This record gives sequence, C-alpha cells and structure tokens, in this order.
Amino acid sequence: TQLLEQSPQFLSIQEGENLTVYCNSSSVFSSLQWYRQEPGEGPVLLVTVVTGGEVKKLKRLTFQFGDARKDSSLHITAAQPGDTGLYLCAGLIPDSNYQLIWGAGTKLIIKP
Amino acid sequence: NAGVTQTPKFQVLKTGQSMTLQCAQDMNHNSMYWYRQDPGMGLRLIYYSASEGTTDKGEVPNGYNVSRLNKREFSLRLESAAPSQTSVYFCASSATPSWARATEAFFGQGTRLTVV
Repeated sequence: TQLLEQSPQFLSIQEGENLTVYCNSSSVFSSLQWYRQEPGEGPVLLVTVVTGGEVKKLKRLTFQFGDARKDSSLHITAAQPGDTGLYLCAGLIPDSNYQLIWGAGTKLIIKP
Repeated sequence: NAGVTQTPKFQVLKTGQSMTLQCAQDMNHNSMYWYRQDPGMGLRLIYYSASEGTTDKGEVPNGYNVSRLNKREFSLRLESAAPSQTSVYFCASSATPSWARATEAFFGQGTRLTVV
C-alpha cells in the first residue's frame, strides 16, 4: 500500500504567523499536487510540481518538491483567515492505474 | 460557470436501500472519477472513466457500480447500501487521464451520504 502522510494533521495559529505543512512518502512520484478544500466544497487545485527540487510560489504560499520526488512542503507566510481550510497533497505514482494517491490532509485554522 | 455538478447534496438511506448519485460536467473533459472522503483517510478512488465508453475499478470499488452515460455524465450506484458506505462522495473530471500526465482535476461539491 502506497501511503502519503501529511503533517501536522491539525494546525491552529494566529493571523500573521508563518507555517509549514509536509507531505511525505517512501514512494517516488511523477508529480505532486496541492489542493485546498473548504467546508462543504470539493478540493481546488493550488499547484502542481513535477521536477525534483522545484519551488513554486503562489502569492504568500511557497511549494517545494523534494529532490528525490518523495516529499513536498507548503509554506505560508503571514497567514490570513482566508487561508483557513483543509490542505491536501496528491501524488501521481508512475505507471499506476489508480490515478492519484491522496494524503489525509492538514486542517488549518487561522484565527484573526 | 457550472463545472462539475453533483446531485443530491445530502441523502439518508436505510441499510439495503439502493440509490444513484448523479454527476455531470460541462468542460468537455474526457476523464471522470468518483471518490469517497472519510475522516483521516483522504480521498479514495472508487471508479474512474478514462474516456467515454470505458470504466475501471479504483482502490475501493466493492459495493458500487458506475455508468458513463455519455461524455458529460458519470453516475455511481449503490445497489444495497451498508453503514460502511456512509461518507462524502465526490465526482471529479479532468481533460486527460491523470496517470498520463499531471493534470488538474475539477471536483463537484460532494454528496454527503448517511446509511443507517
């Protein structure tokens, strides 16, 4: 069974703080995606990383793909209440017919 | 901008009852998917359809059947509901099968199903 572990599972911080969430596996991925899901909604894609060591920035969000393509991190600078949500990572296993392998998610709450 | 539309949004079933979850997308996508989301377990793929006319089992297909009615519509049927099928079900679509290349999946709003 291929696992994608996310940590922490839950994080509650004050507005303005920085945070990092992690997505780790023993498997190598062809690519890895980060989604954000708000209550009562489906996940929405934030970013796709493909190359080992790749860094992508989306405003205050910085995504990094590990050099070995087994892990990824999401760093948020100066978090805002609008960043509140469930952050999910999903990895594409090479030659897999199961599409994406999903992590269980990090539930993030940003308090004003 | 409808995107992916799922119906119903909420449903309560008694054990043994059957029902069909409907999904339609208006983005002309080739591939469609059904997932279930349970607390602490992430999204798990039930069935997918890489293109119109094809369907394949995902990670957790037991107790479910699907029909790709046309390019737009992909339905999920529970023939005899069980309490273990209590979950939130998401339909998604993408332009190309996601195992071929990194591709964005667009999700519906979900169906919250309770089996009592």
